[in-house]
Amino acid sequence: GAVVSQHPSWVICKSGTSVKIECRSLDFQATTMFWYRQFPKQSLMLMATSNEGSKATYEQGVEKDKFLINHASLTLSTLTVTSAHPEDSSFYICSARGGRAGKSYEQYFGPGTRLTVT
Amino acid sequence: AQKVTQAQTEISVVEKEDVTLDCVYETRDTTYYLFWYKQPPSGELVFLIRRNSFDEQNEISGRYSWNFQKSTSSFNFTITASQVVDSAVYFCALSRDNAGNMLTFGGGTRLMVKP
Repeated sequence: GAVVSQHPSWVICKSGTSVKIECRSLDFQATTMFWYRQFPKQSLMLMATSNEGSKATYEQGVEKDKFLINHASLTLSTLTVTSAHPEDSSFYICSARGGRAGKSYEQYFGPGTRLTVT
Repeated sequence: AQKVTQAQTEISVVEKEDVTLDCVYETRDTTYYLFWYKQPPSGELVFLIRRNSFDEQNEISGRYSWNFQKSTSSFNFTITASQVVDSAVYFCALSRDNAGNMLTFGGGTRLMVKP
């Protein structure tokens, strides 16, 4: 199946700093990428949807100035958590949808990035 | 609005037992898609099945089977002869399209299979 990678897999940062998380589709072109957040023992909550070359669409309650999403190419989307605070500590998961022959509508999930803000 | 409810937060079984994970959904759409995902301790979501609202046939894949009942808005998942490797969190999800865009996830059920 298609592969989506995330980097880093885990990161610890100090409060007030910014952290960038990368999501890459390794063997297909991802026209759309999604970013989810998952708090411990909770479900996944969609944060935003991004289409290559356009601005991301954020879900209600998600601060777009705090969670900057860039989808500059068909294989890479980045999520930057700006001025991180301990309450931003969470598991961030990306998924990608895109154009493989016969599978253009499949959505594939990355392995997730665990962010801890101290 | 769409909603997915997984009433069982945690289930513990002994290996080789059968176990059913419940999923109840709410939607006003006439066309929709239901998904099950497995999230092992590593965190990566593993796609298990997708079912559209017009296909109520039950499906079996090895030890896994799914029972879709539109009349009760349920899409239950059964693991037969459970194994320790089945231990994970299982999510049921709902979407308006077959790609899983705008997925609405249930709260998840943590399954623990003991040897």
